Amino acid sequence: QVQLVQSGAEVTKPGASVKISCKASRHTFTDYSIHWVRQAPGQRLEWMAWINANNGVTNYAQKFQGWVTLTRNTSISTAYMELSSLKPDDTALYYCAINHDGESYLDYWGQGTLVTVSS
Amino acid sequence: SYVVTQPPSVSVAPGKTARITCGGNNIETKSVHWYQQKPGQAPVVVIYHDSNRPSGIPERFSGSNSGNTATLTVSRVEAGDEADYYCQVWDSSSDHPVFGGGTKLTVL
Repeated sequence: QVQLVQSGAEVTKPGASVKISCKASRHTFTDYSIHWVRQAPGQRLEWMAWINANNGVTNYAQKFQGWVTLTRNTSISTAYMELSSLKPDDTALYYCAINHDGESYLDYWGQGTLVTVSS
Repeated sequence: SYVVTQPPSVSVAPGKTARITCGGNNIETKSVHWYQQKPGQAPVVVIYHDSNRPSGIPERFSGSNSGNTATLTVSRVEAGDEADYYCQVWDSSSDHPVFGGGTKLTVL
């Protein structure tokens, strides 16, 4: 069982950046890839990107390339996602989730971080 | 990129069987996973690899995958099953998960 605890809600202005975190409870952090999934209000789940916690390799969906950056700190079992040049349309719940290496489903999810972009 | 399609909504009376479909080109060659998302909560896996249930998920939840359609079946539906359900596959060409559009299950 792995618990993922995300940082708290953010309110920011258009054009600004935010960095949200996702801390895993287990020490075997490097056995996973950490995914980020966005859900706009009342909308579907949208996969954004993943980072391999072991080697730091990343993969971004095309629409998020260039303004989303994933990093991780293995010493504290924490992954980060930085969102830059934010627009009001980026207002959404952002979830982190993990899959074990070699697996194709996301078996544990964080509680979500609400990012509100408003002038 | 691989596309999976779900009906926007399914309605069912309590005690009956709900079937939620997930369509995709030759989807039977892929592993399909299903998530349940209740209002205000994060998604939870209810079926993985087509038909496997994680511990803690009732036996009333089952899955199948054949041809171009995967199906999540919820038997003896209860009011507590009302939620959004998402199917997900892995797109091996782009190496990332792909979610369906989600199906809202309404218990009448």
